[in-house]
Amino acid sequence: AQSVTQPDIHITVSEGASLELRCNYSYGATPYLFWYVQSPGQGLQLLLKYFSGDTLVQGIKGFEAEFKRSQSSFNLRKPSVHWSDAAEYFCAVVYSGNTGKLIFGQGTTLQVKP
Amino acid sequence: NAGVTQTPKFRILKIGQSMTLQCTQDMNHNYMYWYRQDPGMGLKLIYYSVGAGITDKGEVPNGYNVSRSTTEDFPLRLELAAPSQTSVYFCASSPRVEDTQYFGPGTRLTVL
Repeated sequence: AQSVTQPDIHITVSEGASLELRCNYSYGATPYLFWYVQSPGQGLQLLLKYFSGDTLVQGIKGFEAEFKRSQSSFNLRKPSVHWSDAAEYFCAVVYSGNTGKLIFGQGTTLQVKP
Repeated sequence: NAGVTQTPKFRILKIGQSMTLQCTQDMNHNYMYWYRQDPGMGLKLIYYSVGAGITDKGEVPNGYNVSRSTTEDFPLRLELAAPSQTSVYFCASSPRVEDTQYFGPGTRLTVL
């Protein structure tokens, strides 16, 4: 079955440190990849997406992600984390021809230490 | 633009009661979705719609029903509430199949 795996359920980093959140998707038709962020009690906000072209994509709030087809990965990175980045992060994929059904990973909760 | 709006924000139901979760979008999107979010489980697709009058089941449709009479509205109906339906429900819409989904703020439902 098509799936998305976020291996890290919980990550803690110090403010100012770099961050990488991992995401792997199961092999399938052309993937369209997304990272969403959810602050406590809030809905989901799109950080960035990859459809085609340059495999390094830039998003909002200083985030970027790199698509690596050979590794079926779409890891999210940020060079310097801010306290306001503490939230839950979801990787998601839509496969072409799948009627837009987003398949979500389990989420990674980011805690930022002062 | 209000985007995607959902009502109510919170609701407590007793077992066996019924209710409708409302979802409205003002972006003229054809595609609309209902998800439920349970702790540590990510979001699971309940139902989706590719346009007015067309709906289909997602991954976890049991205990729910939907209708889509207009482009703007996509209500989700719970007929006989069960404790297993305690969750946070999100509605989303999208302009195209493989495109960004825009999410509403969610409805937190508790069934006791």
